[in-house]
Amino acid sequence: GQQLNQSPQSMFIQEGEDVSMNCTSSSIFNTWLWYKQDPGEGPVLLIALYKAGELTSNGRLTAQFGITRKDSFLNISASIPSDVGIYFCAGRPYNNNDMRFGAGTRLTVKP
Amino acid sequence: GAGVSQTPSNKVTEKGKYVELRCDPISGHTALYWYRQSLGQGPEFLIYFQGTGAADDSGLPNDRFFAVRPEGSVSTLKIQRTERGDSAVYLCASRKTGQTEAFFGQGTRLTVV
Repeated sequence: GQQLNQSPQSMFIQEGEDVSMNCTSSSIFNTWLWYKQDPGEGPVLLIALYKAGELTSNGRLTAQFGITRKDSFLNISASIPSDVGIYFCAGRPYNNNDMRFGAGTRLTVKP
Repeated sequence: GAGVSQTPSNKVTEKGKYVELRCDPISGHTALYWYRQSLGQGPEFLIYFQGTGAADDSGLPNDRFFAVRPEGSVSTLKIQRTERGDSAVYLCASRKTGQTEAFFGQGTRLTVV
């Protein structure tokens, strides 16, 4: 089953608003990843985080690797309609190459 | 093609039948993952290959599920005696050793009727 708790499950926002979602884990991860999935497609990597405390941006997206190594958040600023989709966090445990995913946050952006 | 290719894209099978799902990873990617995604859920880890060997198969739900990667490239996920609960999208991803990003295929939607 899932090891990561991702919230919120869904969000309905107006175009132009900022969005924040987060992920927590009971275990420590060495790498945190944020993916986006569009209908009928596989997930696509948005941001990867490698160090505790790291803050990384990719355009309007900003993500942080929590100090405890057990959490991460993703912010989207000034949302646009094409931001619609499902966002997943994923964690890679220390000394292990597999990835475990959260249950996803479904984002709806109203024009 | 340049991406991860999964075939078939859709598979409908009767309960109790055997199915094989195929994944062609990106050339040169030694790491390969299989995930199962049910509606409204995140991808659930099944198995991870490094080269030809299964480095972690702890996510396989039971002994009806098996995966192989005999030559370190193409992988096949095999499901015996399918059950209706096996219905899901099965995703494959590959990654180049030393790199972070795993690239996903579009998945195989399996429906067991």
